[in-house]
Amino acid sequence: GAVVSQHPSRVICKSGTSVKIECRSLDFQATTMFWYRQFPKQSLMLMATSNEGSKATYEQGVEKDKFLINHASLTLSTLTVTSAHPEDSSFYICSAAPLAGSTDTQYFGPGTRLTVL
Amino acid sequence: SQKIEQNSEALNIQEGKTATLTCNYTNYSPAYLQWYRQDPGRGPVFLLLIRENEKEKRKERLKVTFDTTLKQSLFHITASQPADSATYLCALGERDDKIIFGKGTRLHILP
Repeated sequence: GAVVSQHPSRVICKSGTSVKIECRSLDFQATTMFWYRQFPKQSLMLMATSNEGSKATYEQGVEKDKFLINHASLTLSTLTVTSAHPEDSSFYICSAAPLAGSTDTQYFGPGTRLTVL
Repeated sequence: SQKIEQNSEALNIQEGKTATLTCNYTNYSPAYLQWYRQDPGRGPVFLLLIRENEKEKRKERLKVTFDTTLKQSLFHITASQPADSATYLCALGERDDKIIFGKGTRLHILP
């Protein structure tokens, strides 16, 4: 149980285009989902926290107009990287916290490798 | 400044021995601490959580200790196996539910 999927697993796009990444909790409802990015050999950096039906809370330094997050249902959150540039190339990982539990339990997705040419 | 430090160098351990990984933190007062395993190109997989009022937690071959005075957690894998080779991340959970990750330690179990 407690499976989180991400789609796509890899995406290559041209500079200036937008890319949408989906995060789904497959067998549980997630009141809260988190989006992280990870650079090679670096720790995961929290980008934003999204709660179903409300606006995401972004961490300091993360541009909310560039990284659009939508948490439309208890099983789906999307991250859209708008007008992507090569510096946005990174590994993006989502996690989901079960509805019934507290946020000290997070289940991570497999990640999405974004490469912007 | 706030820091989470894990062994930056890769750790090479002979199969069958106990691997011990360290996580030290500065200027945090975590409510709990977690350890994750991450394989290349994959998301982290949760292993263990230990709360501030707990000294030790065990799960099968894994053991975690948490010393809030030393501001340190140790993660042990006993009877290590080559399949245990991965990067291990520690993460601090703050009282506002924010989790902060360390950079991880790469562990190699040598057959």
